[in-house]
Amino acid sequence: DTEVTQTPKHLVMGMTNKKSLKCEQHMGHRAMYWYKQKAKKPPELMFVYSYEKLSINESVPSRFSPECPNSSLLNLHLHALQPEDSALYLCASSQDQGVGGSYNSPLHFGNGTRLTVT
Amino acid sequence: QKEVEQNSGPLSVPEGAIASLNCTYSDRGSQSFFWYRQYSGKSPELIMSIYSNGDKEDGRFTAQLNKASQYVSLLIRDSQPSDSATYLCAVNMRTIFGAGTRLFVKA
Repeated sequence: DTEVTQTPKHLVMGMTNKKSLKCEQHMGHRAMYWYKQKAKKPPELMFVYSYEKLSINESVPSRFSPECPNSSLLNLHLHALQPEDSALYLCASSQDQGVGGSYNSPLHFGNGTRLTVT
Repeated sequence: QKEVEQNSGPLSVPEGAIASLNCTYSDRGSQSFFWYRQYSGKSPELIMSIYSNGDKEDGRFTAQLNKASQYVSLLIRDSQPSDSATYLCAVNMRTIFGAGTRLFVKA
């Protein structure tokens, strides 16, 4: 069983809907990540939170809004998505963000949320 | 030049053979290197991490790092059909993933 829990497992939403993806970890990790993965492509980094502060936003459109309420929780708020945003959204955590901006700790992934935008 | 490059494959090896997966990276300042395995429809799981030049062995898996040549490789000995998956090379500095190598092990 994964130690990073993502809900829901599947989500279908219309382009006018507002929904949220949730991620939780209880490993005491201080860095949390959102990745987007399209079929047959590697995970693509979206956001990184380090010590509950947003440290990296990879130029993600504003229709994706991350939130880190505390060190164990990470949310991704979705609004006015497009069909091309349909993908597997992966949450991950690591012990920390590493030294000097480099990431030395391996990632622990959740099982992902399969998002379909209609 | 992409930051992390892998041959996407597919790489097909017979059961019991050694599978060799390679990855090159562009940033000489990279410090941490990881191999993840991803089964179809599942999330990536860590196979190996390596931080120093040389070899690191864990069971049937050996990771090799050569920082001077900027490559990292993964060897899978005694390949099993259950090893059939996509193998992702990841380099720190924003944890950039390579495109992944699809491995097929034929029984």
